[in-house]
Amino acid sequence: EPEVTQTPSHQVTQMGQEVILRCVPISNHLYFYWYRQILGQKVEFLVSFYNNEISEKSEIFDDQFSVERPDGSNFTLKIRSTKLEDSAMYFCASLLDRRYEQYFGPGTRLTVT
Amino acid sequence: SQKIEQNSEALNIQEGKTATLTCNYTNYSPAYLQWYRQDPGRGPVFLLLIRENEKEKRKERLKVTFDTTLKQSLFHITASQPADSATYLCALDNNFNKFYFGSGTKLNVKP
Repeated sequence: EPEVTQTPSHQVTQMGQEVILRCVPISNHLYFYWYRQILGQKVEFLVSFYNNEISEKSEIFDDQFSVERPDGSNFTLKIRSTKLEDSAMYFCASLLDRRYEQYFGPGTRLTVT
Repeated sequence: SQKIEQNSEALNIQEGKTATLTCNYTNYSPAYLQWYRQDPGRGPVFLLLIRENEKEKRKERLKVTFDTTLKQSLFHITASQPADSATYLCALDNNFNKFYFGSGTKLNVKP
């Protein structure tokens, strides 16, 4: 069965450093998403990406965040200058069409110290 | 403001019984409502999707209902098993490629 993959599984970084989280969505999917989940809290939408551009973003997704689909297979989330409160699980998801299911990756646990 | 509410208290049931979980929402008119399962430390796993013009959807032991007048979805697991123990999330599509998740309800199925 096709799956979304994410790397790394765990990233530890110091406050103020830049991090890049990587995702490989399912190959024929058209819509791509990043979510975060702070420990014990709900899954929060960050950004959606379609047709090589951002289609929606949340208020969390400020100028410190950016997304790219550099080569037609990878989908990355960059946090330019990490803060302690960015510590969370970050999930990538993809879907073929809104009428169908989203497939989530296993997540990257980001720890900012 | 938009809100999705799921019972934050854990639901404890005996194996073999039917579990019923509730998702209520306000200030949305979603085209689709989805239910996911999440195990600790893992990503959500899609279970069922129901469209706004559908009242009910079934898949094996799972059943979802969607009442757009009450702004409520019910998720049922029949003949529950200990392996069904997990957190169950509902999610709404706001029609603009943006998904909102509830905080989830933890289900414990006791043998």
